[in-house]
Amino acid sequence: DTGVSQNPRHKITKRGQNVTFRCDPISEHNRLYWYRQTLGQGPEFLTYFQNEAQLEKSRLLSDRFSAERPKGSFSTLEIQRTEQGDSAMYLCASSNRDPTFQPQHFGDGTRLSIL
Amino acid sequence: AQKVTQAQTEISVVEKEDVTLDCVYETRDTTYYLFWYKQPPSGELVFLIRRNSFDEQNEISGRYSWNFQKSTSSFNFTITASQVVDSAVYFCALSVSQGGSEKLVFGKGTKLTVNP
Repeated sequence: DTGVSQNPRHKITKRGQNVTFRCDPISEHNRLYWYRQTLGQGPEFLTYFQNEAQLEKSRLLSDRFSAERPKGSFSTLEIQRTEQGDSAMYLCASSNRDPTFQPQHFGDGTRLSIL
Repeated sequence: AQKVTQAQTEISVVEKEDVTLDCVYETRDTTYYLFWYKQPPSGELVFLIRRNSFDEQNEISGRYSWNFQKSTSSFNFTITASQVVDSAVYFCALSVSQGGSEKLVFGKGTKLTVNP
């Protein structure tokens, strides 16, 4: 069990640029989640994958955001035309589907700063 | 809709004091799970405990204990004989099976500082 890995740890970019983050879940976990955390707040759910299928998206996920999980392994989160309000910590988590309500294990996150 | 409220934004204690972190939740689901996570300054969320809605037994793990009361929709966390290493932000979270994702709804967190 090597844990959830996220890359990069930090990303600084200019407003309007596109950014992509990667998440490698724990290998046997078929559920994968993305959350966003801003300063002083708890993480907020963005989207959920079961294997390669994206089954739920939050209203927070505007059309500038897209997430994929090809082959049900790693996942990427892309933000196009970044805005100041996108500055946050982006967290990835994974868990097993069975039995239900297994604890989600989180990565260290990718901190995004928009200049 | 689901909601978690952690009314205490920040708590500061001196080492060896006991401290209780409050968590109140709202849901109309009868089946749900409650979680506590710890976020140290390094940033990674660390899972502490999971409790289902049908199990109101309190739990103790070393210096940590949890008190789940459905009647008041609360799931409070107590650290006994606090230590400097307990300094972190603690999050309470709620999960329901709506839509199958079992996504977590977090409170805003309580920042605990344990001073030597």
